[in-house]
Amino acid sequence: LAKTTQPISMDSYEGQEVNITCSHNNIATNDYITWYQQFPSQGPRFIIQGYKTKVTNEVASLFIPADRKSSTLSLPRVSLSDTAVYYCLVERRTGANNLFFGTGTRLTVIP
Amino acid sequence: DVKVTQSSRYLVKRTGEKVFLECVQDMDHENMFWYRQDPGLGLRLIYFSYDVKMKEKGDIPEGYSVSREKKERFSLILESASTNQTSMYLCASRWGQVNQPQHFGDGTRLSIL
Repeated sequence: LAKTTQPISMDSYEGQEVNITCSHNNIATNDYITWYQQFPSQGPRFIIQGYKTKVTNEVASLFIPADRKSSTLSLPRVSLSDTAVYYCLVERRTGANNLFFGTGTRLTVIP
Repeated sequence: DVKVTQSSRYLVKRTGEKVFLECVQDMDHENMFWYRQDPGLGLRLIYFSYDVKMKEKGDIPEGYSVSREKKERFSLILESASTNQTSMYLCASRWGQVNQPQHFGDGTRLSIL
């Protein structure tokens, strides 16, 4: 299963767009990519999921290139409340427990 | 909204004790998960259950067992707690397969003295 690699931390100013990239060089055909957000003292919360190309919802966009060896979570115009840890998850569609969480990226939004 | 409830937010136990961590979900989800979360290591899967009485080992099952007697409840058991099992434990549930999100509880911070 694809191991995921993310930057440990990032800083951004309020109002800027933030892009967090996750590398998963060994991703397989059946693997899905999901991103979660975690605030202190809470469990992770689903943000967005994709398989290929681009997915957009009300809070984020997910860009996946054609080779799928990486994915980029894009947060538009971040605010202080977006300060959190962001996890990339690669998970196989078949098989019960074929999943791998990254170690997370701590995003700090600065006023 | 899906509610995943973990029985304790904080728990302190002693080495060698048998420890039970309980998780309950209210959305009739088939799939339930137990993870541990450690600084610098992210979330690591301990066990997974895809139905009542069904379970599969995750990446780090050693020293743990699980029980799923009812669909809504998934228990993690530390048979003989050790200090290296001090960690944050997270439970999650999901309806269906991979293209559905996991819903997490707020975690149990377990300290083994």
